[in-house]
Amino acid sequence: NAGVTQTPKFQVLKTGQSMTLQCAQDMNHNSMYWYRQDPGMGLRLIYYSASEGTTDKGEVPNGYNVSRLNKREFSLRLESAAPSQTSVYFCASRVRGVYGYTFGSGTRLTVV
Amino acid sequence: RKEVEQDPGPFNVPEGATVAFNCTYSNSASQSFFWYRQDCRKEPKLLMSVYSSGNEDGRFTAQLNRASQYISLLIRDSKLSDSATYLCVVNPDGIQGGSEKLVFGKGTKLTVNP
Repeated sequence: NAGVTQTPKFQVLKTGQSMTLQCAQDMNHNSMYWYRQDPGMGLRLIYYSASEGTTDKGEVPNGYNVSRLNKREFSLRLESAAPSQTSVYFCASRVRGVYGYTFGSGTRLTVV
Repeated sequence: RKEVEQDPGPFNVPEGATVAFNCTYSNSASQSFFWYRQDCRKEPKLLMSVYSSGNEDGRFTAQLNRASQYISLLIRDSKLSDSATYLCVVNPDGIQGGSEKLVFGKGTKLTVNP
């Protein structure tokens, strides 16, 4: 009954370092998403994957890359972290149709 | 006009009060609508979907007005546990759209006071 699992929950990076945020869902959902949430900005879509093998840019893709490894897993990579990428990152998944998203518990990332 | 707009609040109400949130959306072709709840430092969670005919779940009632392009959430008999940020969410591409991206409002913060 895990739903959407994100790792890590917290991370501090130095400017220029790289890291990958992991996300996995066990609900057999087709679509997966990465959002970032900043104070006063709401949730903004970074990248999404409508199905296994496809990925598309969202509203704020610069500085990020993604991989849809299989139907369960969708990872987000920061190649060269910048302080502007300090944020809370949420992964979500969804079944096509009228149902809403299921979110992971988030990754709090600080870039110093 | 932004895709989804909400009054940011904050709304401060006493226990037992009735409170209503409104949200407007810009794309008249939007097909799916939701209200999410987000507690402080937690992930958003689906509160309820919003159907054309309106729908109710206990103390919560959601309404959709397609002509005016807004949705509403009414909370009756507010509880302390209702304190949270409420997010209005719209799918602007429609159910048949290939992308199925949901667009989130920035949220309305509600505090219910004893």
